[in-house]
Amino acid sequence: GDSVTQMEGPVTLSEEAFLTINCTYTATGYPSLFWYVQYPGEGLQLLLKATKADDKGSNKGFEATYRKETTSFHLEKGSVQVSDSAVYFCALRVPNTDKLIFGTGTRLQVFP
Amino acid sequence: KAGVTQTPRYLIKTRGQQVTLSCSPISGHRSVSWYQQTPGQGLQFLFEYFSETQRNKGNFPGRFSGRQFSNSRSEMNVSTLELGDSALYLCASSWGTGGNSPLHFGNGTRLTVT
Repeated sequence: GDSVTQMEGPVTLSEEAFLTINCTYTATGYPSLFWYVQYPGEGLQLLLKATKADDKGSNKGFEATYRKETTSFHLEKGSVQVSDSAVYFCALRVPNTDKLIFGTGTRLQVFP
Repeated sequence: KAGVTQTPRYLIKTRGQQVTLSCSPISGHRSVSWYQQTPGQGLQFLFEYFSETQRNKGNFPGRFSGRQFSNSRSEMNVSTLELGDSALYLCASSWGTGGNSPLHFGNGTRLTVT
C-alpha cells in the first residue's frame, strides 16, 4: 500500500544553517505531496504542497520538489531560525480523497 | 476567517466509557476528516465525511464512529474506551474537491483514558 518514509530525528542545527529533511514515498497512483509542521500543543499547519511531478512547493523560505523518478519530496531551507524548531511531517494524499498518509515526523531543533 | 475548531481541547475518561468529540470546519468547507496521533503509531487516518456521507474509513475498530451534519460540523465517537485510545485527535476540513484543496487542521482534542 501507499506509504511515506522520512528521516529520523531529531535534527539539531545552529541558527542560519542549511536544512534538509529527506522524504520518500511509495504510491500506486499520482498523489499530491505535502509538508506539514506541528508546533508544541498545536495541530498541523500546511507548510507547502506539490500536486504533480516536477512541481516545487515553497513557503517561508522552505522548498520541496516533487521528484517522480526518485519518489522523493525532500524539504530544504537555506538558513534556519530558532523559530523553525518544530516537528515536520511529510504526507501524501490518496487521489480524490482527504486521506493523508503521513511519515513518522522529524523533530527539528535550532539553537542560537 | 475562523479556522477549524475542535472541542473540547482536553478530556479525561475512564476505561469502558464512551466519548464524543466535536469539530467545526472552516466556513464553506464540506469535507471533514479525522486523524489519531499517538507517539507509537504516529498520525493515522480515521475517516472522512463529505456532505454527510462517509467517503473513506481507516483501519480502526468499529468502536470508532463518526457523523457529519448538514452544516458540515462533525462528531466522532469512541465507545468502550481502552487505554490505547489515549491520543491527540485531529480534525481537518477542506472544500472536498481533491488534491488541489488543502486540508486545514484544528488544534486537536487530547484524550486521556485512565
